[in-house]
Amino acid sequence: DGGITQSPKYLFRKEGQNVTLSCEQNLNHDAMYWYRQDPGQGLRLIYYSQIVNDFQKGDIAEGYSVSREKKESFPLTVTSAQKNPTAFYLCASSGGLAGTPSTDTQYFGPGTRLTVL
Amino acid sequence: AQSVAQPEDQVNVAEGNPLTVKCTYSVSGNPYLFWYVQYPNRGLQFLLKYITGDNLVKGSYGFEAEFNKSQTSFHLKKPSALVSDSALYFCAVRGNAGNNRKLIWGLGTSLAVNP
Repeated sequence: DGGITQSPKYLFRKEGQNVTLSCEQNLNHDAMYWYRQDPGQGLRLIYYSQIVNDFQKGDIAEGYSVSREKKESFPLTVTSAQKNPTAFYLCASSGGLAGTPSTDTQYFGPGTRLTVL
Repeated sequence: AQSVAQPEDQVNVAEGNPLTVKCTYSVSGNPYLFWYVQYPNRGLQFLLKYITGDNLVKGSYGFEAEFNKSQTSFHLKKPSALVSDSALYFCAVRGNAGNNRKLIWGLGTSLAVNP
């Protein structure tokens, strides 16, 4: 799991609540990513950020929001607009200079399992 | 459109036998290819990657993968499987066009190594 931490490990949300998942990295990586993993569906990209103060929607951004105010941190908020948020959420980062293919390896945190009650 | 296919949902092998987990891809330009492993309730761990150069790439835990451009494949292999290799394996690819670092992921292959 390297130098990426995610918290909490388990999170329970009531209907209508917003919750925020934390992701921190000490790898000095420029890019960070949020994925959602559901059984049999692999990894689906929610949001990604290639540099501080900039981020782009991934394939399933609806009902989620992010911020990238610091290089080390990329928190994900699951809003009440996300109709089916129960899933395993993975944060990743990749580093170095933009456009350098050797730095494209993504390193993952240990994940947060979110359950809606 | 870029895509990755892992044609087998599950692979079963006996301990000590060679294993192969298959991956094929479609991408613009030259591909950058990756293999990751995931143990239950854990994040993904990087195994190996192909960027350029030698078609046979060696990675962690005795795994290797062979890049085959004509067949657009990047199969993961290990000469002798261990029970501890049982896990979920993901193949990923990105093209070298532009500055987009997004990876395209396969759906994963569950490997079961039987003692």
